[in-house]
Amino acid sequence: DAKTTQPTSMDCAEGRAANLPCNHSTISGNEYVYWYRQIHSQGPQYIIHGLKNNETNEMASLIITEDRKSSTLILPHATLRDTAVYYCIVRAQAGSGGSNYKLTFGKGTLLTVNP
Amino acid sequence: SAVISQKPSRDICQRGTSLTIQCQVDSQVTMMFWYRQQPGQSLTLIATANQGSEATYESGFVIDKFPISRPNLTFSTLTVSNMSPEDSSIYLCSVDGTVSGAFFGQGTRLTVV
Repeated sequence: DAKTTQPTSMDCAEGRAANLPCNHSTISGNEYVYWYRQIHSQGPQYIIHGLKNNETNEMASLIITEDRKSSTLILPHATLRDTAVYYCIVRAQAGSGGSNYKLTFGKGTLLTVNP
Repeated sequence: SAVISQKPSRDICQRGTSLTIQCQVDSQVTMMFWYRQQPGQSLTLIATANQGSEATYESGFVIDKFPISRPNLTFSTLTVSNMSPEDSSIYLCSVDGTVSGAFFGQGTRLTVV
């Protein structure tokens, strides 16, 4: 079973920030928070990941609470092309071996960006 | 980053037949992963394929139904055997990034009639 909880769907106006929450209250000390998205009819796309510090890249920002039990993915200026299902996943970092390298996908959040 | 090519991109098959899906990566990778995405559902891991060893299957998936080959560090195949309409899904190949997250192919959309 997925170790994360996300809202089923969210709406956002084009040009506004999209804030997607994720709860991962059972996260282990060596597990990272990963975010992916899947645009309709395409394979999932990696967005960002973090351990405990906030992270930012060209696509998004990731805010992780101090207790690491929840996080928020922020798309600062959502566009229509950001409409997708967003998945929050916790797992050990790549290359760490063992069975905890696997990605377990939950149902994700369907983000709809409206004109 | 890794570029993953899957073939075929889509197919329509008769029940009782088998389809082999190919996954080619542009760099050498230790582990390759095969996922299934049933209509309207999330991704489910089928198996992990390591070069030089038998694939490791997840609960609910068996080698007789989904045999996997991994002849080298850049290539893998997944066969969907003795297909039924319930096998209609998108099948995706994936590899881990060394620093970032996983990379996925565009998937093979299979329809069984």
